[in-house]
Amino acid sequence: DIVMTQSPDSLAVSLGERATINCKSSQSILYSSNNKNYLVWYQQKPGQPPKLLIYWASTRASGVPDRFSGSGSGTDFTLTISSLQAEDVAVYYCQQNYGTPYTFGQGTKLEIK
Amino acid sequence: QVQLQESGPGLVKPSETLSLTCTVSGGSITGYYWNWIRQPPGKGLEWIGYIYYSGSTNYNPSLKSRVTISVDTSKNQFSLKLNSVTAADTAVYYCARETPGHNWFDPWGQGTLVTVSS
Repeated sequence: DIVMTQSPDSLAVSLGERATINCKSSQSILYSSNNKNYLVWYQQKPGQPPKLLIYWASTRASGVPDRFSGSGSGTDFTLTISSLQAEDVAVYYCQQNYGTPYTFGQGTKLEIK
Repeated sequence: QVQLQESGPGLVKPSETLSLTCTVSGGSITGYYWNWIRQPPGKGLEWIGYIYYSGSTNYNPSLKSRVTISVDTSKNQFSLKLNSVTAADTAVYYCARETPGHNWFDPWGQGTLVTVSS
């Protein structure tokens, strides 16, 4: 199985400041045939299902604000929130969809400082 | 827009079978992969498996011996059965759609909490 490891486990950032969450896969999740990284980011607020934020490591899903961005390739990926808003308080998960079994990171809890 | 809704018993006894159904509304079940994912209280996400609308399945090896996912295209539903449950199977169970070639989950159902307890 591909192991996904996120860091940090929790993060407190001031409103308007930048938040950065890292995700590392135990093997490359870059498909050479199409040059796409099979890395997805989800946002989960309390009592809600996860919401798709970013796919292919850096493509924002429909309706996702542009303060959210994804980057990285191969085994190392980053989710960045450029200017933290109150509504961004949530747990963020990365997931590899390179192959089954699909696996998730352990989650990063983002709070307001 | 497509919506998914899980249904089934919220309490299952140890050693018995957990059974859940996901009803798809606002769109067809045809052409997609349909997944089950679970989340123990306060913990992370675990992929259980998927079924293609045609009936082919793919299960997480960690659960494969106990899991069956089936589909009923006439009812626009798919189902999960997990047998020989223990307290470790207590979780919120989500159903979610996966588009072929995309491999991400969107949308998700709201989730249903299943507690394993006598």
